[in-house]
Amino acid sequence: GIQVEQSPPDLILQEGANSTLRCNFSDSVNNLQWFHQNPWGQLINLFYIPSGTKQNGRLSATTVATERYSLLYISSSQTTDSGVYFCAVGEYGGATNKLIFGTGTLLAVQP
Amino acid sequence: DAGITQSPRYKITETGRQVTLMCHQTWSHSYMFWYRQDLGHGLRLIYYSAAADITDKGEVPDGYVVSRSKTENFPLTLESATRSQTSVYFCASSPGRHTEAFFGQGTRLTVV
Repeated sequence: GIQVEQSPPDLILQEGANSTLRCNFSDSVNNLQWFHQNPWGQLINLFYIPSGTKQNGRLSATTVATERYSLLYISSSQTTDSGVYFCAVGEYGGATNKLIFGTGTLLAVQP
Repeated sequence: DAGITQSPRYKITETGRQVTLMCHQTWSHSYMFWYRQDLGHGLRLIYYSAAADITDKGEVPDGYVVSRSKTENFPLTLESATRSQTSVYFCASSPGRHTEAFFGQGTRLTVV
């Protein structure tokens, strides 16, 4: 099955810094989502981005489907950005419509 | 409230007991899913449903049962709980194939 790898596994930032999180996947996908799991455990939808570029405030994401990777950019980080960021993909042609999750990037933003 | 809700949020049960986790969505989404989240394994699919009365196994279905008699509800039952089923369970829904999925708040289940 498709493999999803995220890097870095963890990251510590000072408030105000910028960061880039990467998601590599091993096969073609028809769905790619970025989630933020906050310290209370909730999975928050950030982007639905099977291809192209999107921006939402301080966050933006780019997926280059032909090269099998996606990037999540966080600018001017805040302590509320702390948590785990997951990339999840849907396998192209898959019958189940399921998402396959990466192992996540643990982000800690220090004041 | 609109959206997808899970209940209970926290549950402690004893080994061997039957437990049902509830999931309700108000969007009339066709697809619904159950995932479990464990350290070292990330999120893994337990069962999914493409529509009412249509369910199928995911990656880790053993020990679980699902039903979907109504579009909006997708309960997950642990027939005889084991300690290995201690986990955080997430329900999700999406409107169609290859569309954005939305997750509930999660249920933290501890089996003692």
